This record gives sequence, structure tokens and C-alpha cells, in this order.
Amino acid sequence: AQSVTQPDIHITVSEGASLELRCNYSYGATPYLFWYVQSPGQGLQLLLKYFSGDTLVQGIKGFEAEFKRSQSSFNLRKPSVHWSDAAEYFCAVGATSGTYKYIFGTGTRLKVLA
Amino acid sequence: KAGVTQTPRYLIKTRGQQVTLSCSPISGHRSVSWYQQTPGQGLQFLFEYFSETQRNKGNFPGRFSGRQFSNSRSEMNVSTLELGDSALYLCASSLVASGGRNYEQYFGPGTRLTVT
Repeated sequence: AQSVTQPDIHITVSEGASLELRCNYSYGATPYLFWYVQSPGQGLQLLLKYFSGDTLVQGIKGFEAEFKRSQSSFNLRKPSVHWSDAAEYFCAVGATSGTYKYIFGTGTRLKVLA
Repeated sequence: KAGVTQTPRYLIKTRGQQVTLSCSPISGHRSVSWYQQTPGQGLQFLFEYFSETQRNKGNFPGRFSGRQFSNSRSEMNVSTLELGDSALYLCASSLVASGGRNYEQYFGPGTRLTVT
């Protein structure tokens, strides 16, 4: 069955430090992969997406993610975190065949220390 | 281009009442999906509409229903509200239907429903 795991519920980093948020998926083929960010009381904003091709994907706000097929992972990274990056981040997987499903991970809440 | 809009943004209802939420997708987008977000269950898929037809449905009771109009605007209805229906309801639109090439969703700000 298709699933998404975000193993870190909370992460705290200092402003200016690097960031990596983990996402692991389970799917029989190569899925579509997404990262979203949600600020308090807001909807989800699409940060970046992977459909095919280059496994290193650049997104908005200085974020990037790397698709690693061998590890079934799609980790989100940012070289230098800003205080405004504090939010909740969701990884999502979209099936590419069969009965379509678009499944979200449980989210990682990021806290940024000044 | 304007984003996905949802109305109302906040709503307070009493148990047993019904509620209708509205979603206007991004111009040109024909697919609209609805999600329920709660602290305990996270983001759960309710249903997807494309060209006025329901394409997919999540595991929610029949009290939850939806429809889509010819202009792609969508409404979601919840009848006989229960306390557990309190949640943030998110609408997402997409240019193509789910399963289509390069399917990606853009979300609205959500409607916060509180059932008392």
C-alpha cells in the first residue's frame, strides 16, 4: 500500500543553520513527490515537486529536495534557515498508476531559534 | 492569477446542524479536491471532483458530500454535524485530474469549522 513517513514530528534549528527534513515513502513504482509548507491558520503552499528526470529539485524560498530511489526518500533541505521558515512541513506522495491516491505525511513542525 | 479561495474562513455550528463550504479554484483548473485536517488524524482526503463528476472518494461517512458546478466551483456539505467534525477543511485545485501527468494541487486557506 502507498504510504508516507515523516519520522521527525518536531525539529528545532538556529537561524542560519542548515536544515534537512526527512520523508520516506512506500510505493511500488516511482511516485510523484511533493513538499508543502503550512503556516499557522493557513492552507498549504507547494514548495517543490518531483515528477521525473533530475533527482535534485529546486523549489521556492531556497528549498531543494533530492529523490533517492534506492532509499525511497525525498528529503527537503535548506542551506540557511530564516526565522520566517518556522512552520509545518508536509511531504506528499501521488501514485502514478492504478487507483489514484495523493497521501500526505503527518508533518514536521519546524521551530527556528533566533 | 488569483489563488484558490474558500468561504467562509471561519464557521461555528451546533451539533445536528448542517453546513456548506465553498471553494473557487484557480482559473482554468477543473479538478477540485477536499481534505479534512485535524491534529489527531492529519490531512485526510474527502473527495475529488473533475468536470462536475466525483472521481475519487475517501473513507468518510455519507454525511459528507460535495458537488462541482460548471464553472468548476465546488461546495462541500456536512449534514448532522458531530463534535468530531471540528476541523480545518482544505480545498485544493489542479489543472488536470488526479492520475494525469504532472498532477499537482494548489491549496486554499481553508475553512475552520467548530462544532459545539
